[in-house]
Amino acid sequence: GAGVSQTPSNKVTEKGKYVELRCDPISGHTALYWYRQSLGQGPEFLIYFQGTGAADDSGLPNDRFFAVRPEGSVSTLKIQRTERGDSAVYLCASSFQGSWETQYFGPGTRLLVL
Amino acid sequence: EDQVTQSPEALRLQEGESSSLNCSYTVSGLRGLFWYRQDPGKGPEFLFTLYSAGEEKEKERLKATLTKKESFLHITAPKPEDSATYLCAVQAGGSGYALNFGKGTSLLVTP
Repeated sequence: GAGVSQTPSNKVTEKGKYVELRCDPISGHTALYWYRQSLGQGPEFLIYFQGTGAADDSGLPNDRFFAVRPEGSVSTLKIQRTERGDSAVYLCASSFQGSWETQYFGPGTRLLVL
Repeated sequence: EDQVTQSPEALRLQEGESSSLNCSYTVSGLRGLFWYRQDPGKGPEFLFTLYSAGEEKEKERLKATLTKKESFLHITAPKPEDSATYLCAVQAGGSGYALNFGKGTSLLVTP
């Protein structure tokens, strides 16, 4: 079946603007994760959803970052008052039930804040 | 604090020249160690999961092994299409279900 999809693939915005990044997980996967990857680094964890609820948001860097998953499928990562330091690739992953399972990643959204 | 260190940072091989990539880790309560491949401009692609010391897994020219302190990704007779960044990540009992990644090893295989 289809893998994890993310839109948009690229996003350019200006400092101070608001952005939304979307993730559509693999069908039937109840667990969804957001990571952020800077150039030359490995992905860094942001937030984990089990169903509709955020089970672990310990990786969100500050209160400008927020994520939702209202129906337990598609998730949106929201960034307010963007800063140049927010420029990175935002990756979404999903797994069947969470727990100690393989996470399958989407292609990412490349965010550039000018 | 959990740590994952990959070495070398970059590796250049001739086609057919076998080698190994290293992932050393310090975590409390390892739940799983994962290897991913990442091509430029794409998301990580899952390769292997290892759960306990002594475990080995193979796929085509790749073989992953695990000890209590490190994992190796052995590449046998690599081809240019094996060129990519290889990422190692761990899941630890005290860190929820988040993956903790190393910085990766960038592999270039030349014809």
